Amino acid sequence: TQLLEQSPQFLSIQEGENLTVYCNSSSVFSSLQWYRQEPGEGPVLLVTVVTGGEVKKLKRLTFQFGDARKDSSLHITAAQPGDTGLYLCAGLPYGSSNTGKLIFGQGTTLQVKP
Amino acid sequence: DAGITQSPRHKVTETGTPVTLRCHQTENHRYMYWYRQDPGHGLRLIHYSYGVKDTDKGEVSDGYSVSRSKTEDFLLTLESATSSQTSVYFCAISARGTGRQVSSYNEQFFGPGTRLTVL
Repeated sequence: TQLLEQSPQFLSIQEGENLTVYCNSSSVFSSLQWYRQEPGEGPVLLVTVVTGGEVKKLKRLTFQFGDARKDSSLHITAAQPGDTGLYLCAGLPYGSSNTGKLIFGQGTTLQVKP
Repeated sequence: DAGITQSPRHKVTETGTPVTLRCHQTENHRYMYWYRQDPGHGLRLIHYSYGVKDTDKGEVSDGYSVSRSKTEDFLLTLESATSSQTSVYFCAISARGTGRQVSSYNEQFFGPGTRLTVL
């Protein structure tokens, strides 16, 4: 069974602090996505990384795909209360392109206090 | 906006009753998915569909069935609801898909969810 382990599961920080969320697996993925979910809503796609070693930036969010395509990280600089939410990573395993079945991590609940 | 709606948004039912959740999309996407979300488990795939009348099981399919008689609707049925099926259910569509192959990225767009409580 392919698994994606996210850490930490919970994170409570003060506004202005930096943080990193990790997503690790023993399996190789053809691509990896990060989603953000707010209470009472469905997850919303933030980014997709597809190349080993790839780094993508969205304003204060930096996403990295590991060289071996088994892990990824999300780094938030100078967190703001609006960043509060559940962050989910999801990987597309090799061989799943014909079904599109994603493997999701357990999620990281982030709380940013003013 | 991927035009995905789910109904009902909230439902309370009793153990042993049948329940059907509906997912409706307006953009003719071929691939649709049903997930359940529980604390500490992220999203787990129940069933998915790759076209009208074409469905397959996910990792937690026991106790659930699905049907897709039209492209725009994907129904999830709990034949006899149990308390372990209390959860939040999300429907999703794949961003792209032509023919039988989805794109290698398979970005997914989610509906707003249905909160189901089985007493």
